[in-house]
Amino acid sequence: GDSVTQMEGPVTLSEEAFLTINCTYTATGYPSLFWYVQYPGEGLQLLLKATKADDKGSNKGFEATYRKETTSFHLEKGSVQVSDSAVYFCALSGTGGRRALTFGSGTRLQVQP
Amino acid sequence: EAGVAQSPRYKIIEKRQSVAFWCNPISGHATLYWYQQILGQGPKLLIQFQNNGVVDDSQLPKDRFSAERLKGVDSTLKIQPAKLEDSAVYLCASSLALGEQFFGPGTRLTVL
Repeated sequence: GDSVTQMEGPVTLSEEAFLTINCTYTATGYPSLFWYVQYPGEGLQLLLKATKADDKGSNKGFEATYRKETTSFHLEKGSVQVSDSAVYFCALSGTGGRRALTFGSGTRLQVQP
Repeated sequence: EAGVAQSPRYKIIEKRQSVAFWCNPISGHATLYWYQQILGQGPKLLIQFQNNGVVDDSQLPKDRFSAERLKGVDSTLKIQPAKLEDSAVYLCASSLALGEQFFGPGTRLTVL
């Protein structure tokens, strides 16, 4: 079945550092890919998405490119802030009627001032 | 626009007891999902409804879990009897048809 693998955390960075969180997937067909974020004490929020190969999703300075050849969707940000501290989840959804999300295990990001 | 509402936010029960969770999706959203998120893991789908019909319940432990969505709006998820391994956050999400999913705040269940 479908699966998502993302790098384990926690990832600890200083403010203004460059961020990469790796994500690879296994799926049949052509899934849509997502990054969700969970801030402390809050619910899951969609951060960005890409629906086909070579698409780049972007939001709030974060970017991720759908790479079908490497089955990857790595999350990047050029300069992190303390307010970016959260847990980040990579996810995919299939096609057809079953659009439930398959999530990775999450990566906790801690940004220090 | 109001988001997905869930209640209760927290619940503590003893093993073998029963418990129920309630979800009110965003108005007009036909698709509703229940996910289970065990500490340290990503959410895992339990059941997907389209209006009041079940689309996918392949990962729902049907010997103890049940869910319904009467009238295609609110939904309840029940566990009877609960086990220690059911301790988790139960997330409800809704979407317009098969579009972006919006998540509620979750119900944190602790089974002692």
